[in-house]
Amino acid sequence: DVKVTQSSRYLVKRTGEKVFLECVQDMDHENMFWYRQDPGLGLRLIYFSYDVKMKEKGDIPEGYSVSREKKERFSLILESASTNQTSMYLCASSFWGNNYGYTFGSGTRLTVV
Amino acid sequence: GENVEQHPSTLSVQEGDSAVIKCTYSDSASNYFPWYKQELGKGPQLIIDIRSNVGEKKDQRIAVTLNKTAKHFSLHITETQPEDSAVYFCAASAQKLVFGQGTRLTINP
Repeated sequence: DVKVTQSSRYLVKRTGEKVFLECVQDMDHENMFWYRQDPGLGLRLIYFSYDVKMKEKGDIPEGYSVSREKKERFSLILESASTNQTSMYLCASSFWGNNYGYTFGSGTRLTVV
Repeated sequence: GENVEQHPSTLSVQEGDSAVIKCTYSDSASNYFPWYKQELGKGPQLIIDIRSNVGEKKDQRIAVTLNKTAKHFSLHITETQPEDSAVYFCAASAQKLVFGQGTRLTINP
């Protein structure tokens, strides 16, 4: 019954590595989102996409980029991982419009050493 | 842009008692207010939502109230059970969801 799938639950990467976090949804949702979750800071929006090949910066896009080549897949890219990007990353999707709840994946806990 | 404040950050209640979590928002254009529950090791899951044309919504032991004039909304959980222990997030949406900081709810047996 999994609808938003994140490719990895845990990742450990070295400083300076290029990191790819993958997210796939099977609900034909138009919108897809990447958040990071840190204690006491809640969920902060990194990037989002309303359509294929479309992307918009969220509140904390620095150090990240995204790719959406297909409707069901939204990738988060850390061009050169740093220790301050150690966090829980959550992908979500929703129907187009602002009156729909999001469906979240289970998250990827990334540690950069 | 929208700003959502959530209180308290931690809440501990005895099993069977009620729990209340409160949120305020800043953008009067927000018209959709969902609540999410995040259990350990899982992503947040939508548990209830309310739209701006409704003042209250109930689903079994959980209810949400909305006061658009004061720009605040609350989650009420009655007859709490151990499985209610989790982190709860509120959110408000004018164009996209903005989340509160989260409340860690602990139910003591």
